[in-house]
Amino acid sequence: DTEVTQTPKHLVMGMTNKKSLKCEQHMGHRAMYWYKQKAKKPPELMFVYSYEKLSINESVPSRFSPECPNSSLLNLHLHALQPEDSALYLCASSQDRLAVYNEQFFGPGTRLTVL
Amino acid sequence: KQEVTQIPAALSVPEGENLVLNCSFTDSAIYNLQWFRQDPGKGLTSLLLIQSSQREQTSGRLNASLDKSSGRSTLYIAASQPGDSATYLCAAKGAGANNLFFGTGTRLTVIP
Repeated sequence: DTEVTQTPKHLVMGMTNKKSLKCEQHMGHRAMYWYKQKAKKPPELMFVYSYEKLSINESVPSRFSPECPNSSLLNLHLHALQPEDSALYLCASSQDRLAVYNEQFFGPGTRLTVL
Repeated sequence: KQEVTQIPAALSVPEGENLVLNCSFTDSAIYNLQWFRQDPGKGLTSLLLIQSSQREQTSGRLNASLDKSSGRSTLYIAASQPGDSATYLCAAKGAGANNLFFGTGTRLTVIP
């Protein structure tokens, strides 16, 4: 199984709502990533988890809160978002942080719209 | 900071044509380079990964090459098909970094 799954596929939320994005992989990967992608732009890294610990936070606003409950799951909690946060949110995983194993596998993404 | 460029930004070819997509990076100290395909509104599909010690990788009709000294990688697609229409992204992993430096992509359209 080389699949990364993400739910929901689409999410529309108001600026006062609290919602969560979910990501799951069953490849035994120990590194997981959140990316944000705006239209016609490449993905931008937000967070990296390695062995269930946050190892990189790319200066992301606190209204985005990641969580890694176990080695297969990655959540992104959203609160008080702004319309400019509307984007495609991508989850990825790789076997390890080590470069030789660092082929990243991406999920289908969650299309987020903030009203 | 690593900068990755893909030229052209868009490319249209008739079905059956062979084509080459280009990727350039400014810092040759990379660990690997990965090529992805992205359909509109969808996630990224990994096509090929070339380690820094390798010169090329092949998968079916796809062949990717890597020349670290010149800071270039190419993705060759043989006998293109309409189903190959998508945006193709390259991404370089730099030494000491945990993330990928993505290019801006080439949007490919294969005309039946």
